Amino acid sequence: GENVEQHPSTLSVQEGDSAVIKCTYSDSASNYFPWYKQELGKRPQLIIDIRSNVGEKKDQRIAVTLNKTAKHFSLHITETQPEDSAVYFCAARLYGQNFVFGPGTRLSVLP
Amino acid sequence: GAGVSQSPSNKVTEKGKDVELRCDPISGHTALYWYRQSLGQGLEFLIYFQGNSAPDKSGLPSDRFSAERTGGSVSTLTIQRTQQEDSAVYLCASSSGPASETQYFGPGTRLLVL
Repeated sequence: GENVEQHPSTLSVQEGDSAVIKCTYSDSASNYFPWYKQELGKRPQLIIDIRSNVGEKKDQRIAVTLNKTAKHFSLHITETQPEDSAVYFCAARLYGQNFVFGPGTRLSVLP
Repeated sequence: GAGVSQSPSNKVTEKGKDVELRCDPISGHTALYWYRQSLGQGLEFLIYFQGNSAPDKSGLPSDRFSAERTGGSVSTLTIQRTQQEDSAVYLCASSSGPASETQYFGPGTRLLVL
């Protein structure tokens, strides 16, 4: 079955700097890759996603890139702000199947 | 409209007791997922319902865990003979169908087994 790895497990950046989180997946048939943000004590919320027919997607300060050949995808956050501090989860999915999540990255944005 | 709701929000039980956790998905959503999240950990897939298809139970950790989805809407996750290692937050999510991949999560049920 699918296996998703995520690095780093923790990441601290200065406010205004960029943050990059990388995930790798094992099943080349997976075709949907979402990113979720979970603030302390809150539910996960989708922040951006990408499908396998697209290499990059941007939404304001957030972008996701996908390398199908290498089976990895990355979350890029630019101009980080304190409110970006949270745990970020990546996931992979084959159409119609269950989601497999990475173990999460705890991002701290230092003022 | 209303989002995904779960009840109870918190549950404290004694080891060996059975518990039932409830999930009300967004109206019209045919896909429903249960996950378990231990403290400081990631999301562990438990079970996936899609319409009238047989559920994907591949994530259930033992036969003490079971789930039902009645009428294609409300779902109940049952844990029998609870153990301390079952303590976690149980999250439910729904999506509008297999072609729609955006999951909407409920607030979770925090289960503590003493």
